[in-house]
Amino acid sequence: DTAVSQTPKYLVTQMGNDKSIKCEQNLGHDTMYWYKQDSKKFLKIMFSYNNKELIINETVPNRFSPKSPDKAHLNLHINSLELGDSAVYFCASRTAGTEAFFGQGTRLTVV
Amino acid sequence: AQSVAQPEDQVNVAEGNPLTVKCTYSVSGNPYLFWYVQYPNRGLQFLLKYITGDNLVKGSYGFEAEFNKSQTSFHLKKPSALVSDSALYFCAVRDPEASKIIFGSGTRLSIRP
Repeated sequence: DTAVSQTPKYLVTQMGNDKSIKCEQNLGHDTMYWYKQDSKKFLKIMFSYNNKELIINETVPNRFSPKSPDKAHLNLHINSLELGDSAVYFCASRTAGTEAFFGQGTRLTVV
Repeated sequence: AQSVAQPEDQVNVAEGNPLTVKCTYSVSGNPYLFWYVQYPNRGLQFLLKYITGDNLVKGSYGFEAEFNKSQTSFHLKKPSALVSDSALYFCAVRDPEASKIIFGSGTRLSIRP
């Protein structure tokens, strides 16, 4: 009964490949996020959706495309993976006036 | 634009001593402020938040934080540190009128026995 779950937990892939990371929350929240944590542990917001609508799109390469099929899911698709995409990607969700709840992260390694 | 600063990359404290992890913020209007902790190879765990009301907020594992509007600070404190408190701590801020949650650069807390 994990509140925010991401799959896969680990992802190792070659440069140039296309991959997806999935996120699901069972908290009934209406806002979901993707964050990237780099090797220095900085957390950078990438995208946010509210009720399936994109509301935040930071300066992220357009190789990254989020998709929210419904309020409970927010997936991240990455095309033409590059070495610099290697990081830990976190999904999070919240509702009005509350803190964000984070998933356990997906460690992406591009070789 | 909103921002958060954690001026210390690392804080070292002896077990049993009080600890403080500093955080200052910049946001238009009244902020929502948060502290999270991250253990190695884990996600972020929520510790406490300030939304409104009492400036001193208490959270998980004996941590507390004080909202100081005049100094735009939200320092994390604990009266008596435990070795198990050793982890990476993040301060975060959100403008109530916006959805973006901005995180500080993190402070590594190390508690020596």
